[in-house]
Amino acid sequence: AQSVTQLGSHVSVSEGALVLLRCNYSSSVPPYLFWYVQYPNQGLQLLLKYTTGATLVKGINGFEAEFKKSETSFHLTKPSAHMSDAAEYFCAVSVESSASKIIFGSGTRLSIRP
Amino acid sequence: DTEVTQTPKHLVMGMTNKKSLKCEQHMGHRAMYWYKQKAKKPPELMFVYSYEKLSINESVPSRFSPECPNSSLLNLHLHALQPEDSALYLCASSQVENLEGLGAGGELFFGEGSRLTVL
Repeated sequence: AQSVTQLGSHVSVSEGALVLLRCNYSSSVPPYLFWYVQYPNQGLQLLLKYTTGATLVKGINGFEAEFKKSETSFHLTKPSAHMSDAAEYFCAVSVESSASKIIFGSGTRLSIRP
Repeated sequence: DTEVTQTPKHLVMGMTNKKSLKCEQHMGHRAMYWYKQKAKKPPELMFVYSYEKLSINESVPSRFSPECPNSSLLNLHLHALQPEDSALYLCASSQVENLEGLGAGGELFFGEGSRLTVL
């Protein structure tokens, strides 16, 4: 069975600093990997996804993530944090092409300091 | 702007009330989902409808009753709820439930949610 672990329930960075949110997965077969963002009082929005092909995936709002099979990781980065990036971020994994099989991580709350 | 619309955004109900949550999407998706999300937790899958048929029920109590009148609409009927059922209820849709062989990876599109408080 697959699983996903997000390291750090809360990350705080200064505005303009690098954002790094960590995600490690466990899967016996090639996974599908996702990052979703949830702004306060809203639903989840897909930031980016990895299915096959290029391991560096670019998403919306300047975020990107790199699939590293050897490290079983899919960390999310953004070069320069903006105040509007403050939100909850969920890493998710699926080993089937079935949306109902997506497993969400526990989430990381990103805070941005002025 | 989200393409999955949920109403109402907020709902307060007593334990003896009957109410419904509604969800609508116009993306031509054939799979729709209900998730429950407690504060500071990830979403938990409740129900999945695939081509208007219930395909997954994650052992949800019968006080929650889903309904899919057509491919664009999804309802969640609520009756005799408990205070611990207070949560954010999220509707989501996807192109289809299973994209085996298509390599699309099963992306979910979420609505903004209905925040339910049970008194």
